[in-house]
Amino acid sequence: KQEVTQIPAALSVPEGENLVLNCSFTDSAIYNLQWFRQDPGKGLTSLLLIQSSQREQTSGRLNASLDKSSGRSTLYIAASQPGDSATYLCAVNTGGFKTIFGAGTRLFVKA
Amino acid sequence: GAGVSQSPRYKVAKRGQDVALRCDPISGHVSLFWYQQALGQGPEFLTYFQNEAQLDKSGLPSDRFFAERPEGSVSTLKIQRTQQEDSAVYLCASTPVAGAPAYEQYFGPGTRLTVT
Repeated sequence: KQEVTQIPAALSVPEGENLVLNCSFTDSAIYNLQWFRQDPGKGLTSLLLIQSSQREQTSGRLNASLDKSSGRSTLYIAASQPGDSATYLCAVNTGGFKTIFGAGTRLFVKA
Repeated sequence: GAGVSQSPRYKVAKRGQDVALRCDPISGHVSLFWYQQALGQGPEFLTYFQNEAQLDKSGLPSDRFFAERPEGSVSTLKIQRTQQEDSAVYLCASTPVAGAPAYEQYFGPGTRLTVT
């Protein structure tokens, strides 16, 4: 059974700091991996989607990497801003209709 | 263009009541997903529709949960005889293609259900 774990559960950093969020999954046979952002009381916004054949994806200040063999993905946020404060969720799909989510990392960027 | 919308945004139900939650996906999106998100947890898959066909309902927690998408657009998630453990945020997502979510899922804002 696929399980997704995110570490740390919560993180507080000063503005301007570079940071890394971690995601691990137990079954390396994934179809793709997505990173989402969730703001309080709102739905999820897709940030980056990495297909199983890819090693990384970049969008602006965000970079996500994927290492299938070790069951890990990282989301790197450069030059963090207070507007980056949100919960970041990692999710994997193993080829079926289900997407399996981690519990998320709550990020707070202090001005 | 309009995104995924859900209604109501908040619902309070007494234990034992039936509730109906609505999802309006992005126009033309083939795939529709329902998720349940408990407080402090990630969303958990409930069910998947490809157009009007419900192809996967393995995540529905009990036979009190029922979902439909009769015309392949709007979907309704119905919960009968609500229990306190049903309290959660119910999220709907859609994608423009069929099958596995190989593309970005577009999520609605969710319906927060509280059962008292």
